[in-house]
Amino acid sequence: EIVLTQSPGTLSLSPGERATLSCRASQNVSSNYLAWYQQKPGQAPRLLIYGASSRASGIPDRFSGSGSGTDFTLTISRLEPEDFAVFYCQQYGNSPYTFGQGTKLEIK
Amino acid sequence: EVQLVQSGAEVKKPGESLKISCKGSGYSFTNYWIAWVRQMPGKGLEWMGIIYAGDSDTRYSPSFQGQVTISADKSINTAYLQWTSLEASDTAMYYCARHTGTARVSPLGYWGQGTLVTVSS
Repeated sequence: EIVLTQSPGTLSLSPGERATLSCRASQNVSSNYLAWYQQKPGQAPRLLIYGASSRASGIPDRFSGSGSGTDFTLTISRLEPEDFAVFYCQQYGNSPYTFGQGTKLEIK
Repeated sequence: EVQLVQSGAEVKKPGESLKISCKGSGYSFTNYWIAWVRQMPGKGLEWMGIIYAGDSDTRYSPSFQGQVTISADKSINTAYLQWTSLEASDTAMYYCARHTGTARVSPLGYWGQGTLVTVSS
């Protein structure tokens, strides 16, 4: 089973700042099958990024993903008030398709 | 429009059985994999398993194998998650989600609204 470790656990930033979230895998993620999701309180998760770097439909271009192999990054270039939430990475290349433990992005 | 509509919140006692549902619409139900994801109170997302609605091919996380059963009825476009004997530790929100593509190796692009299961004596 691939274990995904996200860091930091909590990130405190202000609107307009740049956010960088990390996801590290315990072994190589097959074909970069790595996704990022955003979850706001009381809501289901929403797909942001798939294939490590492709934006899902309707996702603003301030969200970008990068990385390969075992190290992946989600970057939000300029934070908007609605971006503050919990973010999860997930690998879907090898069953079980595990999630990271999440990074909470909070307003400073 | 792709929609996944889950059954309503449940309150059960330890030892009881339960089956929750996830009805898909707006797409060809039998061509896609559906996943079940657990979220315990205040915690993160846990991948439980998936089912291919076309032939009910099912894969489980080792953490949930033998603890739950995932099934589907393609005649009514519905996937299920069931327990035979609930425990207090099963208290959680359960989401169903559909893979974006017809291949299993695709992300979860469509999510149900969640079903809250509370197990308490």
